[in-house]
Parts: sequence; structure tokens; C-alpha cells
Amino acid sequence: EAQVTQNPRYLITVTGKKLTVTCSQNMNHEYMSWYRQDPGLGLRQIYYSMNVEVTDKGDVPEGYKVSRKEKRNFPLILESPSPNQTSLYFCASSLAPGDTEAFFGQGTRLTVV
Amino acid sequence: SQKIEQNSEALNIQEGKTATLTCNYTNYSPAYLQWYRQDPGRGPVFLLLIRENEKEKRKERLKVTFDTTLKQSLFHITASQPADSATYLCALSSNSGYALNFGKGTSLLVTP
Repeated sequence: EAQVTQNPRYLITVTGKKLTVTCSQNMNHEYMSWYRQDPGLGLRQIYYSMNVEVTDKGDVPEGYKVSRKEKRNFPLILESPSPNQTSLYFCASSLAPGDTEAFFGQGTRLTVV
Repeated sequence: SQKIEQNSEALNIQEGKTATLTCNYTNYSPAYLQWYRQDPGRGPVFLLLIRENEKEKRKERLKVTFDTTLKQSLFHITASQPADSATYLCALSSNSGYALNFGKGTSLLVTP
């Protein structure tokens, strides 16, 4: 079954404690991206990757890091989380960024206290 | 700056009627426009994609139009059902960009 898998689904952490949200896809997609979704602000892109070792900033990259060492995995790293990073996070993958459908993970609800 | 606007107010309609949702954009030349459905707490699910040289696309009870002159897309659900109740997102991408940019979504409620 084609899918994008994120882990964990829920996470409560404290300010400053480094964390990683994993994302894996089984469709051999080249393009992967991370979004955060906040009430009233919609889905905003954090980072994207066109292929292995190729990543770039989206609209709201501050406070986040990513890596793309393998095609299937695209982890999101928060080196020093802050309360304003409390949000619902989605990973997505597609063959290309616009002219093919994007597959989304089930989401990670992060709370930073 | 680029803007993608969807009705922020929820759309309430009766079962069986046609729901029409609007997506307007400014400062944008999208090559592709997509519509997604999102249920509470879940990831968006792809519905339809339309290209800039296409005027209309259909899939079962869904129809999307794309007017690059008006800078607008309309998304129609015919014979709506309570199970269609969800938030619907439009997303745009340009030929030169690497992002899929989303509108904030419109909530649809279909009542029996």
C-alpha cells in the first residue's frame, strides 16, 4: 500500500530538548516536504527536498532542520524547540512538486511546554 | 506577495444539493492547481489536479474549473452527502517553483 509514515503521532516535550520527527515513504518519490498547520494560518511549508542530498527552505524554516540521506526518509529536526513550534506537522511526498498528487502522512501533533 | 484565498466561512448545504467552493489567487501564475480534502486531525487527501491549459476536470461527483483570466478555480460537489463534510483545500504550483502552496481551506457541512 502506498503510504507516507510519520512518527510519532503525538509528542509533548519541553523547551530546548532536541527532537526528531521521522517521515518515510514507500513510493520511490523524489520530492518530499514538511508542512506545519496552525488554526487560521493553514498549511505552511517548512522545508522541501527535490532528491537525495538536495534540500531547501520553504516559507517558515526558522528553528527547523532536515536531512535527506536516503530517498525514502526525510526527518524533521527541532534542535531547540520553543512553544511557538507547537503545531500539527505533516510530511508529504510526490513524484514532482506540482503536477502530480501529493501523499500526506497522518500528522504529528507536537506540544512544546 | 502571493496570495491564495478561500472562503473562511463554513459552507452549510443540504444533502443532495451542489456545493461550490471558490479558490482565488493573486500575484501568482500557477501551472497546476490541486484540490484536497482534509478531515479533522488527518492529513490532506488528493482529489483533483487541473493544469493551466485545461478549463475543466471531472471525477465522479466532483468538478473543478480553472480560469486563469479571473485567477479563480471553482470546485463543485454534486449530489452532496453528509460524508462529504470536511475541509477542502486548494493548492497551487508554478512551473518555475518547487513548492505546493495551500490556501487556508473552506469547511463544508452537508446536513441530511
